[in-house]
Parts: sequence; C-alpha cells; structure tokens
Amino acid sequence: QSMLTQPPSVSAAPGQKVTVSCSGSNSNIGNTYVSWYQQLPGTAPKLLIYENDKRPSGIADRFSGSRSGTSATLGITGLQTGDEADYYCGAWDTSLSAWVFGGGTKLTVL
Amino acid sequence: QVLLVESGGGVVHPGRSLRLSCEASGFPFNMYAMHWVRQAPGKGLEWVTAMSYDGSKTYYADSVKGRFTISRDNTKNTLYLEMNSLSADDTAVYYCARGRYYYDCSNLAPGGQGTLVAVSS
Repeated sequence: QSMLTQPPSVSAAPGQKVTVSCSGSNSNIGNTYVSWYQQLPGTAPKLLIYENDKRPSGIADRFSGSRSGTSATLGITGLQTGDEADYYCGAWDTSLSAWVFGGGTKLTVL
Repeated sequence: QVLLVESGGGVVHPGRSLRLSCEASGFPFNMYAMHWVRQAPGKGLEWVTAMSYDGSKTYYADSVKGRFTISRDNTKNTLYLEMNSLSADDTAVYYCARGRYYYDCSNLAPGGQGTLVAVSS
C-alpha cells in the first residue's frame, strides 16, 4: 500500500496542460523534499523534479513541481504524445525512516 | 554524467540467494547515500533499502527486513544488495539510485537500466 496518494490516471489533449497530484502527510511531504519521476513504456524511471520544484539538467521547463503543506503537484504544459508515461511522486518519510512512493499516475495524451 | 550500472540479476529458485551489484561513476560515490528500488512486473515503484555514505546507517522496507542486506565498497565505487530467502514476491527489476550527501536519504535519483530478478521454480 502506497504511503503517497496519486490519481491512477489523467488525460489531456496535445498542447494542453495537465496536473498530477500527490497527497501525503506531515511525516513525508509536509516535512521533506518531494521528487517526481517519469517512466516511459518499457524504460527505467527517470528523475523529473527534485527538492519539490527543481529540474535536473536536461529536463524541459514544460515540467514543473510545487508543494503546499502535505500535498505536491506536478505540472506539464504543452503536452506532447511523447509525454505519455507513468508518473510517480516520492519522498523520505521521517517517521518510517523509509522512502515512500505514490502508486503512480498514467498520463494519456489524447 | 552520473551513471549507475546494475548487474547480478537472473533466474533463481525460491528460497535461494542472489547478490546484486551497482557500479557508480560520474560523481563522488563515497560522499553519497544510496538506495535500491524495485519494480515488479506491471506494478509501481517500491523502495527497498538505503545506506549512508559510509555504511554506518542502513534502512529497510518491512517487506525485505531480515532477508536483504545492503552494503557498499567505496574503494570500488560499488553498491551491493544481498538477497536471501527469495520468494516469487521478490521478482522485479531492481534499480540502484543516488541519495543526497552523507547521511541524507531525502533524494532518490535512479541512473541505470536495472537488473531483472526472477524467482521461479
């Protein structure tokens, strides 16, 4: 059972914007950094956002992250068919002394 | 460029053991905490274990506690995962990932293609 809660799926048309939510608690999102991962079909997960809102080198600025209280949000603008993937949030849980992931959100670009 | 190369996976019978390796390059391995993460077929990501930069602190998921052991050799820039008493539930692709500096595990950055472990009789 995932400690972070994500919607199972989201969808939007090419060129549009979509957001993916991630809900946690005071022992994880509310107390530490949130990361987001993109996993394209058949590939390894890739770090998309770290420390709530920072993008690693090479990640397009169409991807953004934010955190408010015990929730976090991934935003993707200018949707492309190549953005179809599973997206996961994650954070260190200070009570569990363990990393926790969300269950993943499948993005469909209609 | 950060590169993590996992190896050691394969097919193993239930109850047997396996050791995975993760060779790191492109960053000062001996200054970073490290993680192992896995993904069962068709399932989401599951965190497995983490270790501080010097090996003095380790953390485990309840699902592997007592069966799996994380270790590292900073002279070889290599992270290990010793897996014992394997069961079908351990079948997954295993990825290693970089944490933050020293004891800080509050980041998890995968960097390799993973290695597949299949537990089957």
